[in-house]
Amino acid sequence: GNSVTQMEGPVTLSEEAFLTINCTYTATGYPSLFWYVQYPGEGLQLLLKATKADDKGSNKGFEATYRKETTSFHLEKGSVQVSDSAVYFCASATGGGNKLTFGTGTQLKVEL
Amino acid sequence: SAVISQKPSRDICQRGTSLTIQCQVDSQVTMMFWYRQQPGQSLTLIATANQGSEATYESGFVIDKFPISRPNLTFSTLTVSNMSPEDSSIYLCSVDEAGVSKDYGYTFGSGTRLTVV
Repeated sequence: GNSVTQMEGPVTLSEEAFLTINCTYTATGYPSLFWYVQYPGEGLQLLLKATKADDKGSNKGFEATYRKETTSFHLEKGSVQVSDSAVYFCASATGGGNKLTFGTGTQLKVEL
Repeated sequence: SAVISQKPSRDICQRGTSLTIQCQVDSQVTMMFWYRQQPGQSLTLIATANQGSEATYESGFVIDKFPISRPNLTFSTLTVSNMSPEDSSIYLCSVDEAGVSKDYGYTFGSGTRLTVV
């Protein structure tokens, strides 16, 4: 079955620091990969996605590249802001209509 | 992308009672999913709600505890039955828009924060 492993948090950074949150996956076939963000007290929002190898998803300064050779989809941002403080979930899906498999989530705290 | 209206947004319920959560989508979608997020945890899929057939439940979840309805392609309900404090969680519905946009898109409702006392 599918599984997603992401680095444990919390991750605490100073504003304008570089962010990497690691995510690796196992799946049968070729999954689509997603990063979701959950701000305090809110539901999940899709941050970015990639549906095939070497695709790069990007949004709001965040990027992640689908690496088939390393089965990874690491989330990066060059300069984080306090407003980026949230929980970030990596997820995979093997096809339309299939369920999402989530990682355990990584809490990011950005301080001034 | 689809817009999902989920309600109630939060509730505090007495143990032994039941709560029905509604999920309304502004477009027709094939697949609807119900997730549970226990405090400080990731999301766990409860079941997939199929229009015109019974829901498909994941291991550890049963229909008697979490009955689901899916009367049409834009609406679903999840009932949390005979609640106990262990049911205190955020419950989220999600839709797969692949059938609409031919792209892999999963949109979530804003969630229902349930506290059982």
